[in-house]
Amino acid sequence: GAVVSQHPSRVICKSGTSVKIECRSLDFQATTMFWYRQFPKKSLMLMATSNEGSKATYEQGVEKDKFLINHASLTLSTLTVTSAHPEDSSFYICSARDGDRGTDTQYFGPGTRLTVL
Amino acid sequence: GENVEQHPSTLSVQEGDSAVIKCTYSDSASNYFPWYKQELGKRPQLIIDIRSNVGEKKDQRIAVTLNKTAKHFSLHITETQPEDSAVYFCAATPSGGFKTIFGAGTRLFVKA
Repeated sequence: GAVVSQHPSRVICKSGTSVKIECRSLDFQATTMFWYRQFPKKSLMLMATSNEGSKATYEQGVEKDKFLINHASLTLSTLTVTSAHPEDSSFYICSARDGDRGTDTQYFGPGTRLTVL
Repeated sequence: GENVEQHPSTLSVQEGDSAVIKCTYSDSASNYFPWYKQELGKRPQLIIDIRSNVGEKKDQRIAVTLNKTAKHFSLHITETQPEDSAVYFCAATPSGGFKTIFGAGTRLFVKA
C-alpha cells in the first residue's frame, strides 16, 4: 500500500514553454501532498504544500505564479512550471501523506527530471 | 521554524562494520522523526521512523535512537552491506504541523 506515482519521469523542453507534472496517490486518499525540488547531491527542498480543495501554501522564495499547483482531487496534485528557463532544470519530487491512516508518514513519488534547454 | 542538522555529510565504512548518522533538531514541538534512504536517481524510501514517546526502535539491522532532552536522534546500521550504499536523510515533523523538515543528507559508502 501507500504508492505514489509521478508523471512524466523525464521531460526536456525549450525555454519559455510550460511543463505540467502529475502526482497521484494510487491506493490511498491524500488530503495533503508536498512538492520538493532536489539539486544534484543536495537535500530535498520543500517548495509548497498542496491541500485538496484549497490554495497551496508556498515556501519563502518560491514564486507561486511560476510554479502553479493544483490539487483538484484527493488523489491528484499537479505542478506546472510556467515559462520554464534553464535554471528551472532540476529533479522535482512529490510526496503524499496518507489521510486515511492519519499518520505523519510521507510517501514519495519517483520524481521527474526536468531539463530546460 | 524547525531546523535539522545532519552529520556526517559523507561516511565510508568497510562491509560488516557499523554506520552511525546523527541529527539534531531545534523545535521541541517536533514529535515524528523518519529516516529515508535514497539511491541515485530514485525516490526517497522510508526505512524507519520514531515518535517522541519512544526512545529507541529497531528493525533488523537498522535502529534509531531519540534523545528528546538533547534534541538529537541517530540512525544505526549494523553489519553493513554494499547495498546499504546510498544517501540517507533524517527529518523532523512538528506536532500538528504538516511540514517535514529534512536534514542535508549523508552519503554512505560501504566498501566490499
